Amino acid sequence: NAGVTQTPKFQVLKTGQSMTLQCAQDMNHEYMSWYRQDPGMGLRLIHYSVGAGITDQGEVPNGYNVSRSTTEDFPLRLLSAAPSQTSVYFCASTNGGGLDTGELFFGEGSRLTVL
Amino acid sequence: AQSVTQPDIHITVSEGASLELRCNYSYGATPYLFWYVQSPGQGLQLLLKYFSGDTLVQGIKGFEAEFKRSQSSFNLRKPSVHWSDAAEYFCAAGPMEYGNKLVFGAGTILRVKS
Repeated sequence: NAGVTQTPKFQVLKTGQSMTLQCAQDMNHEYMSWYRQDPGMGLRLIHYSVGAGITDQGEVPNGYNVSRSTTEDFPLRLLSAAPSQTSVYFCASTNGGGLDTGELFFGEGSRLTVL
Repeated sequence: AQSVTQPDIHITVSEGASLELRCNYSYGATPYLFWYVQSPGQGLQLLLKYFSGDTLVQGIKGFEAEFKRSQSSFNLRKPSVHWSDAAEYFCAAGPMEYGNKLVFGAGTILRVKS
Protein backbone atom coordinates (compact mmCIF):
# COMPACT_ATOMS: atom_id res chain seq x y z
CA ASN A 1 0.00 0.00 0.00
CA ALA A 2 2.26 2.80 -1.32
CA GLY A 3 -0.03 5.86 -0.94
CA VAL A 4 1.72 9.00 -2.20
CA THR A 5 5.26 8.50 -3.49
CA GLN A 6 7.66 11.36 -4.11
CA THR A 7 11.04 11.25 -5.81
CA PRO A 8 13.75 12.25 -5.29
CA LYS A 9 13.90 12.60 -1.50
CA PHE A 10 16.94 14.88 -1.66
CA GLN A 11 18.30 17.06 -4.45
CA VAL A 12 20.95 19.76 -4.74
CA LEU A 13 20.78 22.12 -7.71
CA LYS A 14 22.78 25.05 -8.94
CA THR A 15 21.05 28.34 -9.67
CA GLY A 16 19.50 28.26 -13.13
CA GLN A 17 19.22 24.49 -13.42
CA SER A 18 15.87 22.86 -14.04
CA MET A 19 14.43 19.71 -12.54
CA THR A 20 11.21 17.80 -11.98
CA LEU A 21 9.90 16.50 -8.69
CA GLN A 22 7.85 13.40 -9.30
CA CYS A 23 4.65 12.52 -7.43
CA ALA A 24 2.52 9.43 -7.87
CA GLN A 25 -0.48 8.14 -5.93
CA ASP A 26 -2.14 4.76 -6.14
CA MET A 27 -5.41 5.58 -4.35
CA ASN A 28 -7.30 6.78 -7.44
CA HIS A 29 -7.66 10.25 -5.92
CA GLU A 30 -8.91 12.99 -8.21
CA TYR A 31 -7.45 15.86 -6.17
CA MET A 32 -3.68 16.39 -5.95
CA SER A 33 -1.56 19.32 -4.82
CA TRP A 34 1.97 20.54 -4.18
CA TYR A 35 3.02 22.43 -1.06
CA ARG A 36 6.32 23.86 0.07
CA GLN A 37 7.32 23.96 3.72
CA ASP A 38 9.61 26.64 5.06
CA PRO A 39 10.56 27.23 8.72
CA GLY A 40 8.09 29.46 10.52
CA MET A 41 5.75 29.61 7.52
CA GLY A 42 3.94 26.30 7.62
CA LEU A 43 2.95 24.81 4.29
CA ARG A 44 2.05 26.98 1.33
CA LEU A 45 0.12 25.78 -1.69
CA ILE A 46 2.03 25.96 -4.99
CA HIS A 47 -0.30 24.33 -7.52
CA TYR A 48 -3.24 22.00 -7.34
CA SER A 49 -5.33 19.79 -9.60
CA VAL A 50 -8.91 18.58 -9.36
CA GLY A 51 -8.57 15.95 -12.06
CA ALA A 52 -6.58 14.86 -15.08
CA GLY A 53 -6.03 17.77 -17.42
CA ILE A 54 -7.10 20.38 -14.84
CA THR A 55 -4.59 22.42 -12.84
CA ASP A 56 -4.64 25.77 -11.10
CA GLN A 57 -2.33 28.06 -9.17
CA GLY A 58 -2.07 28.19 -5.45
CA GLU A 59 -0.57 30.82 -3.18
CA VAL A 60 3.06 30.68 -4.42
CA PRO A 61 3.09 29.46 -8.06
CA ASN A 62 5.88 31.61 -9.52
CA GLY A 63 8.84 29.61 -10.82
CA TYR A 64 6.94 26.33 -10.87
CA ASN A 65 5.04 24.47 -13.53
CA VAL A 66 2.70 21.47 -13.31
CA SER A 67 0.73 19.21 -15.58
CA ARG A 68 -1.71 16.37 -14.92
CA SER A 69 -1.88 13.95 -17.81
CA THR A 70 -3.03 10.99 -15.70
CA THR A 71 -4.95 10.56 -12.47
CA GLU A 72 -1.92 8.97 -10.80
CA ASP A 73 0.86 11.45 -11.56
CA PHE A 74 1.36 15.12 -10.76
CA PRO A 75 4.95 16.27 -11.46
CA LEU A 76 6.26 19.66 -10.32
CA ARG A 77 8.78 21.36 -12.57
CA LEU A 78 11.27 24.02 -11.55
CA LEU A 79 12.10 25.89 -14.73
CA SER A 80 15.17 27.84 -13.56
CA ALA A 81 16.03 27.13 -9.94
CA ALA A 82 16.70 30.00 -7.55
CA PRO A 83 18.04 29.95 -3.96
CA SER A 84 14.59 31.12 -2.79
CA GLN A 85 13.25 27.75 -3.91
CA THR A 86 15.32 25.93 -1.30
CA SER A 87 12.61 24.17 0.67
CA VAL A 88 10.92 20.91 1.51
CA TYR A 89 8.25 20.02 -1.01
CA PHE A 90 5.23 17.88 -0.24
CA CYS A 91 2.83 16.30 -2.67
CA ALA A 92 -0.65 15.43 -1.38
CA SER A 93 -3.82 13.82 -2.64
CA THR A 94 -7.39 13.42 -1.47
CA ASN A 95 -10.60 11.92 -2.69
CA GLY A 96 -12.63 15.04 -3.29
CA GLY A 97 -14.12 18.27 -2.08
CA GLY A 98 -17.32 19.48 -0.52
CA LEU A 99 -19.08 16.84 1.54
CA ASP A 100 -16.68 14.28 0.14
CA THR A 101 -13.68 16.12 1.54
CA GLY A 102 -11.54 13.64 3.31
CA GLU A 103 -8.07 13.26 4.61
CA LEU A 104 -5.24 14.86 2.67
CA PHE A 105 -2.61 12.14 2.22
CA PHE A 106 0.95 13.45 2.09
CA GLY A 107 4.11 12.05 0.62
CA GLU A 108 7.28 11.95 2.71
CA GLY A 109 8.66 15.11 1.16
CA SER A 110 11.48 16.12 -1.16
CA ARG A 111 14.23 18.31 0.30
CA LEU A 112 15.63 20.65 -2.34
CA THR A 113 18.68 22.85 -1.93
CA VAL A 114 19.55 25.46 -4.55
CA LEU A 115 23.07 26.83 -4.40
CA ALA B 1 -7.19 36.89 2.29
CA GLN B 2 -7.62 33.61 4.09
CA SER B 3 -5.20 32.99 6.92
CA VAL B 4 -4.60 30.63 9.79
CA THR B 5 -2.73 31.80 12.88
CA GLN B 6 -1.05 29.61 15.44
CA PRO B 7 0.16 32.05 18.10
CA ASP B 8 2.56 29.67 19.83
CA ILE B 9 5.71 28.68 17.96
CA HIS B 10 6.93 26.37 20.74
CA ILE B 11 5.15 24.78 23.68
CA THR B 12 6.73 22.61 26.36
CA VAL B 13 4.61 20.45 28.66
CA SER B 14 5.39 17.75 31.16
CA GLU B 15 4.42 14.20 30.40
CA GLY B 16 0.97 13.52 31.83
CA ALA B 17 -0.03 17.18 31.79
CA SER B 18 -2.87 18.56 29.69
CA LEU B 19 -2.27 20.31 26.39
CA GLU B 20 -4.01 23.03 24.43
CA LEU B 21 -2.72 24.31 21.09
CA ARG B 22 -4.33 27.45 19.77
CA CYS B 23 -5.56 28.12 16.26
CA ASN B 24 -7.42 31.12 14.85
CA TYR B 25 -8.62 31.46 11.29
CA SER B 26 -9.69 34.29 9.04
CA TYR B 27 -11.89 33.10 6.21
CA GLY B 28 -14.69 34.49 4.07
CA ALA B 29 -17.09 31.72 5.01
CA THR B 30 -16.93 28.95 7.56
CA PRO B 31 -14.19 26.73 6.23
CA TYR B 32 -13.43 23.12 6.78
CA LEU B 33 -10.89 22.92 9.63
CA PHE B 34 -8.14 20.40 10.23
CA TRP B 35 -5.32 19.56 12.59
CA TYR B 36 -2.29 17.69 11.25
CA VAL B 37 0.78 16.36 13.04
CA GLN B 38 4.27 16.02 11.59
CA SER B 39 6.99 13.92 13.16
CA PRO B 40 10.60 14.81 12.25
CA GLY B 41 11.46 13.91 8.65
CA GLN B 42 7.96 12.70 7.93
CA GLY B 43 4.93 13.87 6.02
CA LEU B 44 1.80 15.14 7.72
CA GLN B 45 -0.84 12.93 9.34
CA LEU B 46 -4.43 13.99 9.92
CA LEU B 47 -5.46 14.16 13.58
CA LEU B 48 -9.02 15.39 13.15
CA LYS B 49 -11.31 17.55 11.03
CA TYR B 50 -14.41 19.68 11.42
CA PHE B 51 -16.99 20.23 8.74
CA SER B 52 -20.25 20.97 10.55
CA GLY B 53 -22.43 19.76 13.39
CA ASP B 54 -21.09 19.02 16.83
CA THR B 55 -18.47 21.64 17.63
CA LEU B 56 -16.36 19.23 19.68
CA VAL B 57 -14.63 16.72 17.42
CA GLN B 58 -12.66 13.68 18.43
CA GLY B 59 -9.56 12.54 16.62
CA ILE B 60 -6.88 9.92 16.73
CA LYS B 61 -4.32 9.46 19.52
CA GLY B 62 -6.70 10.90 22.15
CA PHE B 63 -6.84 14.40 20.66
CA GLU B 64 -9.94 16.56 20.44
CA ALA B 65 -10.67 20.03 19.11
CA GLU B 66 -13.42 22.55 19.70
CA PHE B 67 -14.77 24.85 17.01
CA LYS B 68 -15.88 28.26 18.30
CA ARG B 69 -17.44 30.34 15.55
CA SER B 70 -17.68 33.49 17.70
CA GLN B 71 -13.93 33.42 18.32
CA SER B 72 -12.91 32.03 14.90
CA SER B 73 -10.94 29.42 16.79
CA PHE B 74 -10.30 25.71 16.53
CA ASN B 75 -8.08 24.78 19.48
CA LEU B 76 -6.58 21.32 19.85
CA ARG B 77 -6.58 19.62 23.25
CA LYS B 78 -5.35 16.46 24.91
CA PRO B 79 -6.00 15.66 28.58
CA SER B 80 -2.73 13.80 29.21
CA VAL B 81 0.31 14.15 26.99
CA HIS B 82 2.66 11.25 26.22
CA TRP B 83 6.33 11.59 25.26
CA SER B 84 5.44 10.24 21.81
CA ASP B 85 3.26 13.31 21.18
CA ALA B 86 6.37 15.46 20.70
CA ALA B 87 6.07 16.72 17.13
CA GLU B 88 5.00 19.75 15.12
CA TYR B 89 1.29 20.45 14.87
CA PHE B 90 -0.40 22.33 12.06
CA CYS B 91 -3.86 23.83 11.93
CA ALA B 92 -5.33 24.20 8.44
CA ALA B 93 -8.46 25.63 6.82
CA GLY B 94 -9.92 24.96 3.42
CA PRO B 95 -12.85 25.82 1.22
CA MET B 96 -15.75 23.45 1.02
CA GLU B 97 -15.24 23.02 -2.71
CA TYR B 98 -11.69 21.70 -2.78
CA GLY B 99 -10.31 19.31 -0.23
CA ASN B 100 -6.74 19.83 -1.38
CA LYS B 101 -6.61 23.61 -1.29
CA LEU B 102 -5.69 24.20 2.32
CA VAL B 103 -4.22 27.21 4.10
CA PHE B 104 -1.88 26.15 6.88
CA GLY B 105 -0.78 27.87 10.03
CA ALA B 106 2.93 28.25 10.74
CA GLY B 107 2.91 25.30 13.12
CA THR B 108 3.49 24.75 16.84
CA ILE B 109 6.40 22.61 17.98
CA LEU B 110 5.48 20.55 21.03
CA ARG B 111 8.20 19.41 23.39
CA VAL B 112 7.38 16.93 26.15
CA LYS B 113 9.39 16.87 29.39
CA SER B 114 9.75 13.60 31.20
